[in-house]
Order: sequence, then C-alpha cells, then structure tokens
Amino acid sequence: AQSVTQLDSQVPVFEEAPVELRCNYSSSVSVYLFWYVQYPNQGLQLLLKYLSGSTLVKGINGFEAEFNKSQTSFHLRKPSVHISDTAEYFCAVSPTSGTYKYIFGTGTRLKVLA
Amino acid sequence: DGGITQSPKYLFRKEGQNVTLSCEQNLNHDAMYWYRQDPGQGLRLIYYSQIVNDFQKGDIAEGYSVSREKKESFPLTVTSAQKNPTAFYLCASQGYTEAFFGQGTRLTVV
Repeated sequence: AQSVTQLDSQVPVFEEAPVELRCNYSSSVSVYLFWYVQYPNQGLQLLLKYLSGSTLVKGINGFEAEFNKSQTSFHLRKPSVHISDTAEYFCAVSPTSGTYKYIFGTGTRLKVLA
Repeated sequence: DGGITQSPKYLFRKEGQNVTLSCEQNLNHDAMYWYRQDPGQGLRLIYYSQIVNDFQKGDIAEGYSVSREKKESFPLTVTSAQKNPTAFYLCASQGYTEAFFGQGTRLTVV
C-alpha cells in the first residue's frame, strides 16, 4: 500500500520569494512521483513527474522537485514565485507496475502575497 | 484538440434524485478514473476502469455507479443512496505514465 503526506495545508509567501512545498510518501513497491497544480474550479494539471534517472526534475512554470529515496521525499520548489502561482498543489504516487492507481496527498494551498 | 471533457460544469440535484455526470476522452486511453474532491481531503477514488465493459470499485464507491460501454466514455451516476453528494467530481484517463484530468463537475444538492 502507498500513502502520501503533504505536511503543510497552507503556505503563504510574498511575491518573488522562494517557496518549498513538502511531500513525503510511503510505499512497499517502486513508484512514480508527480506534482499536479489545480486552479480554482478547474481540473488538475501536471507540473512535473519523476519516473527514473536524475533525481532533480524540472517542470513547467519554473518549478522543480527533488526525489530523495532515503528520506522518501519529493519536495517541490520554485526560486521566485508570482501572484499567478496561487493555487492548490497535489503530490501523488503511482506504482510502476500493475494497476495505475494514484494516491494523492491532501494538497497544499499556496497563496502568493503582493 | 485531444483531452477530457466533463459535463456539465455545474449541476444541482434535489434530494432523492439520481444524476449522471458525463466524461468523454479522445486520447485513446484504456484506463479511466472518477475522483471525488472535498476541501482538505484531497482526491478520493470512486471507480476506475482499465478496459471497456470492466470497472472496479475504488475507496468510496458506495452510492455511485458507472458504466464503460465505449472506450471514450465513462459516465458516473450519483444515486440517491449517496448521503452527502455535494462535492467536486474529477474524471481522469491514464496516459503512458501520468493521468490527464477533465475540468471537473461541481455537484450541489439543493
């Protein structure tokens, strides 16, 4: 079984400041890792994914994440946020084989302040 | 333009009624999913289907039903047995590695 923990339910940050959204996971099998973004009343959009290889993954909108196998973490970072980054962010895992069942975290609401 | 289309975007239901949410995809994906989203609870899996004419219950299937008669379509029926149906519902399909989501349907019981 898998589980995903997003440690912060809300993160306020000033515009142009850096941000880190934390994600830890637990799994007995090998998993792929994902970050999705959701704007109000919309679906989820893929930000980035880790499948294998380099542990530093770059995504859209200037976001990146680092996979840390020993700490079972996949934290999302951006060096300088914009007002338009205000949204909810979800971390998710999916087994690399068998049924593609995703397990999502409970989400982190990022609010960028002017 | 490939993607997933959910309709309607907003839906109102009277108590005791069944309602059906539509989900159509033109991505040629085999697997499709329905999720329910409530504030502070993330996404919870209702049903999923890996192939036409086959589907499995997810974590919160009670009070819901689905069908998968065509590869492109995976409608969700919220029945009167669902005691608290007010929520945001998301449909997704499975690509090679990641899921693709529709824009969601917000269901409100009035």
